[in-house]
Amino acid sequence: EADIYQTPRYLVIGTGKKITLECSQTMGHDKMYWYQQDPGMELHLIHYSYGVNSTEKGDLSSESTVSRIRTEHFPLTLESARPSHTSQYLCASSDGGRREQFFGPGTRLTVL
Amino acid sequence: GDSVTQMEGPVTLSEEAFLTINCTYTATGYPSLFWYVQYPGEGLQLLLKATKADDKGSNKGFEATYRKETTSFHLEKGSVQVSDSAVYFCALYGYGGSQGNLIFGKGTKLSVKP
Repeated sequence: EADIYQTPRYLVIGTGKKITLECSQTMGHDKMYWYQQDPGMELHLIHYSYGVNSTEKGDLSSESTVSRIRTEHFPLTLESARPSHTSQYLCASSDGGRREQFFGPGTRLTVL
Repeated sequence: GDSVTQMEGPVTLSEEAFLTINCTYTATGYPSLFWYVQYPGEGLQLLLKATKADDKGSNKGFEATYRKETTSFHLEKGSVQVSDSAVYFCALYGYGGSQGNLIFGKGTKLSVKP
């Protein structure tokens, strides 16, 4: 079944750790996105990619980085996590010919 | 640039009440419009969409009509259920410098009481 997956679903780590949030989709979509969702529910686009070897920064400045080596995979990395990175992170993808985005279940990150 | 303004919540209703969540937009040209729903602990799901003026999107008893003259896309449901408790996001896909990305409203939290 075509879908979009995120792992882990929940992560609690200490300050200074390096972490990678995984996102994979089996729909063959070219475009992928990372959003940060604050406690007030608002979504902030932090990274997106048009395809392999393409990465762009979104509307909200983020200390995270992303890579797109394979079409289906779009991991997000924090080199040194801080409490200010505590948030819900949502991954999404879209077909270049269609405008709606499909979302993964999210990763809830807590940095102590 | 393009923008979406939606009704602030939270909204609390009793079961079987009528629901309206207002959404208005600013965009150049003819954007596509969407409503997404986020249930607790989950990602967003597409609820319905409309791609041109006067289109009505509908799904699961929810409806929204693309009104070009009032630049609105209000979400309605005639009789809400407890299971409709969620956060609802209005979004647009337009041509006003958003690099082909969706522009989301801030979300409206709906709680339905039995």
